[in-house]
Amino acid sequence: EIVLTQSPGTLSLSPGERATLSCRASQSVGGSTSLAWYQQKPGRAPRLLISDTSRRATDIPDRFSGSGSGTEFTLTISRLEPEDFAVYYCQQYGGSSTFGPGTKVDIK
Amino acid sequence: QVQLVESGGGVVQPGRSLRLSCAASGFTFSSFGMHWVRQAPGKGLEWVAVIWYDGGDQYYADSVKGRFTISRDTSKNTVYLQMDSLRAEDTAVYYCARDSSSGWFYLFDYWGQGTLVTVAS
Repeated sequence: EIVLTQSPGTLSLSPGERATLSCRASQSVGGSTSLAWYQQKPGRAPRLLISDTSRRATDIPDRFSGSGSGTEFTLTISRLEPEDFAVYYCQQYGGSSTFGPGTKVDIK
Repeated sequence: QVQLVESGGGVVQPGRSLRLSCAASGFTFSSFGMHWVRQAPGKGLEWVAVIWYDGGDQYYADSVKGRFTISRDTSKNTVYLQMDSLRAEDTAVYYCARDSSSGWFYLFDYWGQGTLVTVAS
């Protein structure tokens, strides 16, 4: 089973700042790029943000971007909007699924 | 638009059973695999089970294998999760999620709002 770790656990930032979230896999994910990011707000279901490492899902604004390959991945939010404060999970997929423990982005 | 609506959650005693339902609309249900993903209170996400687009294959997390059964009814556009021999550690919000493909991909492009299952005496 591929184990995902995310860092930091919590990221405290102000609106307008840049957020950089990391996800590391215990072994290379499928095809080197089968890594997705989800956003979850309190009391809400997760929402798919990015698949295939860097492909934004429908209606996801371009301030969200993903990069990486193999075992190291990054989600970047270029300028935080008030609605971006949430928990972010990475997930490896393709024949199986595991999630990382999440990074909480909260208001500084 | 794609909608997934779960129902059937509640409070149940350890060892008892519960069946969750997920009603799908806004897409061709018979073309997509469907999953259940759960989230214990204050915890992260855990994949539970998948059923392929045609119902031909089902797979389960080790933590629920032999106790949970996923099924689907294409005539009702509904996927089910039968949960037997429930344990306290099964307490969670259960989400229904659509596979972006036939069931083998495990990329969840749409999610329901979730239904809470509490296992307690």
